[in-house]
This record gives sequence, structure tokens and C-alpha cells, in this order.
Amino acid sequence: AQTVTQSQPEMSVQEAETVTLSCTYDTSESDYYLFWYKQPPSRQMILVIRQEAYKQQNATENRFSVNFQKAAKSFSLKISDSQLGDAAMYFCAYRSGNSGNTPLVFGKGTRLSVIA
Amino acid sequence: DTEVTQTPKHLVMGMTNKKSLKCEQHMGHRAMYWYKQKAKKPPELMFVYSYEKLSINESVPSRFSPECPNSSLLNLHLHALQPEDSALYLCASSQDWGQGYNQPQHFGDGTRLSIL
Repeated sequence: AQTVTQSQPEMSVQEAETVTLSCTYDTSESDYYLFWYKQPPSRQMILVIRQEAYKQQNATENRFSVNFQKAAKSFSLKISDSQLGDAAMYFCAYRSGNSGNTPLVFGKGTRLSVIA
Repeated sequence: DTEVTQTPKHLVMGMTNKKSLKCEQHMGHRAMYWYKQKAKKPPELMFVYSYEKLSINESVPSRFSPECPNSSLLNLHLHALQPEDSALYLCASSQDWGQGYNQPQHFGDGTRLSIL
């Protein structure tokens, strides 16, 4: 079974600075998809960014980018120019690409605080 | 604004009560999900509906009964719940289930459920 590990329960960053959240996963599959979700205190889970395993190019979405290292099974999230609104719980998630009936596998999350 | 609407936002009920949680989306998604989330933990998948048919039941106790009356609506009927069932219940939808491996799930704001 696939597992997702987020080794940093909590992180903090100064406003306007850059922070990197780590995520590693364990799988024997070659075809899969990776996601970062953000959950602010408002509770809604919001998709931040996604990466297809077959793509070598790292995904970017405005201030958010990933460092996808397939061989190392690492999928870290970099947040540039951090803003107060980035404070939230961040979940890394994995989904198999080999079967239609597989759910998301979530990591335990990293709570990010942004200091003004 | 969330595209997946959940009602009610908060619910307090006794162990003998019967209540229902409601989830609605109008994005044309054909897969809908129920998750349970305890504080400071990742969401745990409960049920997956694909094209209004139950695809996955993650060994959820029968006191939780899902229903998908149509492609836009997903209900979770609650009966004889236990105090440990107190949690945030999240609904999500995605474009597809079987073919849309990389399709992100869109989450609602959740219902905060407290069992007395």
C-alpha cells in the first residue's frame, strides 16, 4: 500500500519569505499523481498544486511550486513571498494512476504559521 | 466561494437522534465523496459514489448511511451515533472516478458534528 509522509508537523515563516514543506511517499507504481491541499481555519480543503508523475517538469502555480524528485520519491512544496493568508494546514496527497478505484492517500499534514 | 455546498455547517445531536448531512455540487462532477476528519488529522475516506452508484465503502459502521439521489446531491444519514463520531465531515466531488486519476477533488466547507 502507498504511504505519504510529512515529517514536519509544524513550520513557521516570516511574511514575504520563502518556505519549503517536505513530503515523501512510498510506492511501487510508476504512474501516479501527487497533490498539495491547503486547509485554512475556515475548514475547506483547497487544491494548491498537482503533479503528474510522468512529467519531468515541476509544476508551478503563481507563488507555489514543487520540487518533484521521482527517484527519491520526494514532492516538496515551496511557497515564495509568503503571505498571512498562507497560514493553514497543508496536506500532501497521492493517487494511483493504475486503477480507477483508488482513493487519495493523505499525509498527516504540516501546520504553517506566517509571522507578520 | 466554495463550489461544493454542505449543510448544515454545525450540528449537535444526541445519540438517539436521526439527522442528515447534505452536499450539493453543480459542476457536472460524477464522483462524490464523504470524508471524516478529526482535529489535527488528515481526512479519512468513508464513501465514494461514481455515477450515483456506491463504489467504495471503507468499512464504515452502518450507523452512517450514504445516499446519492442524483448526480448533484449526496446525503449522509446519521442514526444512533457515538461520541467518538464527533468530527468534521467533508464532502468532495471530482469530474470522474474511474478515468479521472489526476482530476482534483473539490471540497466543501464541511459540517462540524458534535454528538452529546
